[in-house]
Amino acid sequence: AQSVTQPDIHITVSEGASLELRCNYSYGATPYLFWYVQSPGQGLQLLLKYFSGDTLVQGIKGFEAEFKRSQSSFNLRKPSVHWSDAAEYFCAVDLSGNTGKLIFGQGTTLQVKP
Amino acid sequence: DAGVIQSPRHEVTEMGQEVTLRCKPISGHNSLFWYRQTMMRGLELLIYFNNNVPIDDSGMPEDRFSAKMPNASFSTLKIQPSEPRDSAVYFCASSPPEGDTQYFGPGTRLTVL
Repeated sequence: AQSVTQPDIHITVSEGASLELRCNYSYGATPYLFWYVQSPGQGLQLLLKYFSGDTLVQGIKGFEAEFKRSQSSFNLRKPSVHWSDAAEYFCAVDLSGNTGKLIFGQGTTLQVKP
Repeated sequence: DAGVIQSPRHEVTEMGQEVTLRCKPISGHNSLFWYRQTMMRGLELLIYFNNNVPIDDSGMPEDRFSAKMPNASFSTLKIQPSEPRDSAVYFCASSPPEGDTQYFGPGTRLTVL
């Protein structure tokens, strides 16, 4: 079955440390890939997206993600985490080619230690 | 731009009651999505509309759920009768004609007692 997996349910990092959140998808072709962030009590905000071309994409708030076809992965990274980055992060795929029908991973909760 | 507007933000009701959730998409957007978020199941797409027409309702859990989009600026999600297992946060999102990015509303937290 087609799916999106975020292996880490909860991650804690120290402020200033680097961050990598993992995302793997199960699908025969290359889907459209997204990362969203959800702050407590808020809706989801798009961080970045990948459709084609350069496999390293830059997003808002200093985030980037790299698409690796061989690993079916789209991991999110940030070189230096800020306390305000504490939130829940969702990886999502559009399997139907930019139809807008997204399948979300279960999410990774990021906690930032002072 | 006001963004996607959802009302109410919180709803507490008793089992068996009808619940109506409302959404106003961003002006100019022609696709609208309803999602449900729970701890157990995460974010699930319930239904989405394109140009006010329901395109895919395969995520609607059962006949107790219905959604309408009478015009480009308004959509409702109705649950009748409601059950405690419907307790969740319901999100509405919209996207522009060029597709790709969905813009989410703040959600409605529904509690069915």
